[in-house]
Amino acid sequence: EIVMTQSPATLSVSPGERATLSCRASQSVTNNLAWYQQKPGQAPRLLIYGASTRATGIPARFSGSGSETEFTLTISSLQSEDFAVYYCQHYNNWPSLTFGGGTKVEIK
Amino acid sequence: EVQLVQSGAEVKKPGESLKISCKGSGYSFTNNWIGWVRQMPGKGLEWMGIIYPSDSETKYSPSFQGQVTISADKSISTAYLQWNSLKASDTAMYYCARLYYDILTGYSRLDHWGQGTLVTVSS
Repeated sequence: EIVMTQSPATLSVSPGERATLSCRASQSVTNNLAWYQQKPGQAPRLLIYGASTRATGIPARFSGSGSETEFTLTISSLQSEDFAVYYCQHYNNWPSLTFGGGTKVEIK
Repeated sequence: EVQLVQSGAEVKKPGESLKISCKGSGYSFTNNWIGWVRQMPGKGLEWMGIIYPSDSETKYSPSFQGQVTISADKSISTAYLQWNSLKASDTAMYYCARLYYDILTGYSRLDHWGQGTLVTVSS
């Protein structure tokens, strides 16, 4: 099973600053990686798929990069509504499509 | 508009059985995979498994194989997650989501999610 490791576990950022979240796969997942945002009491929401393609309606301040085993989600200028937990998930090895443990982005 | 509507919260006792549902609308339910995701209290997302409603092909994460049963009734556009004998450790929020597979790019993603069903197992 591919293990997805996210870092850091918690990221403290001031509004307007840039946030950089990392996701590492234990083996190559090519570009088959997605990012999700989850706010308290809500279902997750798709942000990025194919490692770098924004989902419908996702603001341009969210961007994804990387391939193989190293991936990054960047939020260029944090807005108040962006404080949430972010998860990566790979799609390279059905049926075990594991999630990372999540990164909580909190207000500094 | 794509929608996935899940059944309501459940409170059960250990050893009881349970079947929760996820009804899709606004898209071709039959020809899209549906996945199930567990989120235990205060914890992260865990992938459970998927079903293709057209032929009920089912794939389970190794962690959940034999622990739950995923099924679907394509005639009413509904997927199910079932337990035969609940344990306290099954207490969690359970989400269904459409697993969209893009045949042009080969990329997959969970692009639409249900609102979640909270299952509480307590004696």
